[in-house]
Order: sequence, then C-alpha cells, then structure tokens
Amino acid sequence: QQQVKQSPQSLIVQKGGISIINCAYENTAFDYFPWYQQFPGKGPALLIAIRPDVSEKKEGRFTISFNKSAKQFSLHIMDSQPGDSATYFCAAKLGQGGKLIFGQGTELSVKP
Amino acid sequence: GAVVSQHPSWVICKSGTSVKIECRSLDFQATTMFWYRQFPKQSLMLMATSNEGSKATYEQGVEKDKFLINHASLTLSTLTVTSAHPEDSSFYICSARGLLEGSYEQYFGPGTRLTVT
Repeated sequence: QQQVKQSPQSLIVQKGGISIINCAYENTAFDYFPWYQQFPGKGPALLIAIRPDVSEKKEGRFTISFNKSAKQFSLHIMDSQPGDSATYFCAAKLGQGGKLIFGQGTELSVKP
Repeated sequence: GAVVSQHPSWVICKSGTSVKIECRSLDFQATTMFWYRQFPKQSLMLMATSNEGSKATYEQGVEKDKFLINHASLTLSTLTVTSAHPEDSSFYICSARGLLEGSYEQYFGPGTRLTVT
C-alpha cells in the first residue's frame, strides 16, 4: 500500500519530442507528489511537485498531470532536449513529517 | 535556493575499516535529515531518519550498529559505516528537510560514492 509504481523503466525520445513517464500509487492519504531528476553520479534534484487538490501543474517544459480517481500521476517533458537525458523518479509523501516513497525510476535518453 | 553538501564526494577504504560521511545544510536549518543508499540503476532506499538531538530511526533491515548516524546540530549530520565490507560499496545520499519560504521542503546532497576494497 506504500508502493509507488513507475513506468516505463527506460525511454528513448527524439529531440523535440514529448517524454511521458507514469506513476501509480495505492495510498489515497498521500498528499504530496514530487518528481526528481538525477544525473549520473549526482544526487536527485527536485524538478516539480503537485498536491492532490489540482489536476495539473506546469513549469516551463515540465508538466505534472494528476488523476486522483485513478490514483495516477505523470510527468510530461515537452520539446525534449539531449540535456534532459537523466533518470527521473516520482515520489509520494504522506503529511508534512512523512518520508518520501520513491518509484523505481525511468532512464530517459533524448537522441539528437 | 537550498543547498545540501556532502563530504567526501568519493572514498575508497579497506575492508574492516570505518568511514565517516558528512552532510551539511548550508543555508537553512535542517530539522530532519535522511540517509539513502542507491545501487546502480536502482531507486533510492531510505536507510534512516534523524531529527536534531535525537536518536536516528532506522528502516527495517538496516543495521544500526553498522551504520551510525549522528545529527548533532541543525546543519550537520554524519553517517559512519563501521567495519566496512565490499558489499557496503554503494552511493550514499543524504537529504535535509527544513522550513523554507513557509513550507517544509526536502533537498538532496550530491552523494558520496563509497568503494570498499
């Protein structure tokens, strides 16, 4: 019930295309859903986050779509660039003091 | 923005020795710090959570006598891997959570690559 399932495991997209990564969760009490970007040999960096009271949040080329009834959320990267090539992790958290539950990660490769 | 640093960025040690990794929140006070372990091409695995001045809470399956965590101040936490073995070789990442601009956010350090020979 505490799991967050992420797909796909890996993704190859052409430059300029749209990258879409999906996550699903079980615990309806989760109230914070962030996405992290991690480059090889580096720590994860917060990319964008959403709370369940909104269905979409956009920051630049990155958009989170949130479907509360389906218990799913996704990251869309518009106009994908080679510099976006990294591993992306979705996560979920319960409450202000809760710990982050991470998805399995998606390795994105954007081909020039 | 909030910055979390780790030192060292990489370390090689011999089997049986101990190694200490430092985690610092540079521009905010971290009421809670987390330590994660990450194997190649895998997700982050939470090892323990520590609040300043309190004993760390370890996740199930993590040996507290092997991975010693100290959170002595609001800006510093340390992880000591005692009697290290090759299977302890991994990427260790700390994370700090504090009140920033009215909300609690969690920021990650750059990680420490530990190789035990």
